[in-house]
Amino acid sequence: ILNVEQSPQSLHVQEGDSTNFTCSFPSSNFYALHWYRWETAKSPEALFVMTLNGDEKKKGRISATLNTKEGYSYLYIKGSQPEDSATYLCAHNTGTASKLTFGTGTRLQVTL
Amino acid sequence: DAGVIQSPRHEVTEMGQEVTLRCKPISGHDYLFWYRQTMMRGLELLIYFNNNVPIDDSGMPEDRFSAKMPNASFSTLKIQPSEPRDSAVYFCASSFRRQGGREQYFGPGTRLTVT
Repeated sequence: ILNVEQSPQSLHVQEGDSTNFTCSFPSSNFYALHWYRWETAKSPEALFVMTLNGDEKKKGRISATLNTKEGYSYLYIKGSQPEDSATYLCAHNTGTASKLTFGTGTRLQVTL
Repeated sequence: DAGVIQSPRHEVTEMGQEVTLRCKPISGHDYLFWYRQTMMRGLELLIYFNNNVPIDDSGMPEDRFSAKMPNASFSTLKIQPSEPRDSAVYFCASSFRRQGGREQYFGPGTRLTVT
């Protein structure tokens, strides 16, 4: 993996469904992995910053895991609600520890 | 805190004109980032500053783009001359150094249209 890749590109689920997305990143020179939530017409907001292999973070119904050795992170949403509709971006910190490289995001739409 | 402030929110200009985008980071933050968001390329880092000093400008597309940070509370991104392909949303973000990774706080963005 040379760049940050996210899958799927888009996802359409029903209210109450649980869902998850994948972020793949270069495993070498790892410093941190970020998840951002980006609602339409707003700016990205940080969800999680993870640095250690095996890290798990949780915020309400949203959680994330990190595997730095194989270069992937999962974002989970339990019991999706319409207000969860947004684009979820992951971003990778390289050895510089400051510069973020973003994936193209997973666009989630939750309908009633 | 008011968060990261950007101005203008929208800018429409004609090809060849100079465009200046402005950013005020969150007070106390020592890193400032300029990003460009397009449909084709997603969110791209253009340049970032640490303590007002440019650290990495490798993402600046051409010499037509320049950025300055004269003090800790103000930065500008200038495009001269502007071209239609510069049309995009430009975001400014700031962060504060801390161990274990630094989350970035984004401004509302400036939507630039060059006709």
